[in-house]
Amino acid sequence: KAGVTQTPRYLIKTRGQQVTLSCSPISGHRSVSWYQQTPGQGLQFLFEYFSETQRNKGNFPGRFSGRQFSNSRSEMNVSTLELGDSALYLCASSLGDRVAGYTFGSGTRLTVV
Amino acid sequence: DAKTTQPPSMDCAEGRAANLPCNHSTISGNEYVYWYRQIHSQGPQYIIHGLKNNETNEMASLIITEDRKSSTLILPHATLRDTAVYYCIVRAQTLTGTASKLTFGTGTRLQVTL
Repeated sequence: KAGVTQTPRYLIKTRGQQVTLSCSPISGHRSVSWYQQTPGQGLQFLFEYFSETQRNKGNFPGRFSGRQFSNSRSEMNVSTLELGDSALYLCASSLGDRVAGYTFGSGTRLTVV
Repeated sequence: DAKTTQPPSMDCAEGRAANLPCNHSTISGNEYVYWYRQIHSQGPQYIIHGLKNNETNEMASLIITEDRKSSTLILPHATLRDTAVYYCIVRAQTLTGTASKLTFGTGTRLQVTL
């Protein structure tokens, strides 16, 4: 079956711009989570959506936002980009129950210049 | 979520078993132990998880001590393709049963060599 699909794979943006990243989860998965990975901070949780509702949020500024659509696809948006937002952004999907494992996509590598 | 401690790096000869330890001495009764790995520039890959009992799947075995304060991930016959960063994560479940986030530490960098 198809895995988690993230688009685009690579992105270069200028400081101050905004960006939208997309994630299509595995069919039947209702939970989508987003993570940021940088060399300095490692993998950090951004937020999780389940059935179109945000049910968990990490410690990131309000410039980072997301949403989930009725077909479980999710987008995350970063406004007013800063150089420090350069990172690998990973999306993970799961069934959303108590013990389900997460399947990660290959990520979107965002470079802010 | 409980904190985990892993050695920063380990080496293993190809074909031998790789035993990756993890300490989670503050784990709570409702927290599961999960293992993921990340091969360079790819997203993390789920390996295995467990609560109390030892678990085995096609990829690995998970041994959890009786007091649940530590665990060991065993790759029975390591290959070069197992070279990756391995993350041990303890994951809480809320009272409502909704899934919680994954809190990644720095993991163990496993290098499998010929």
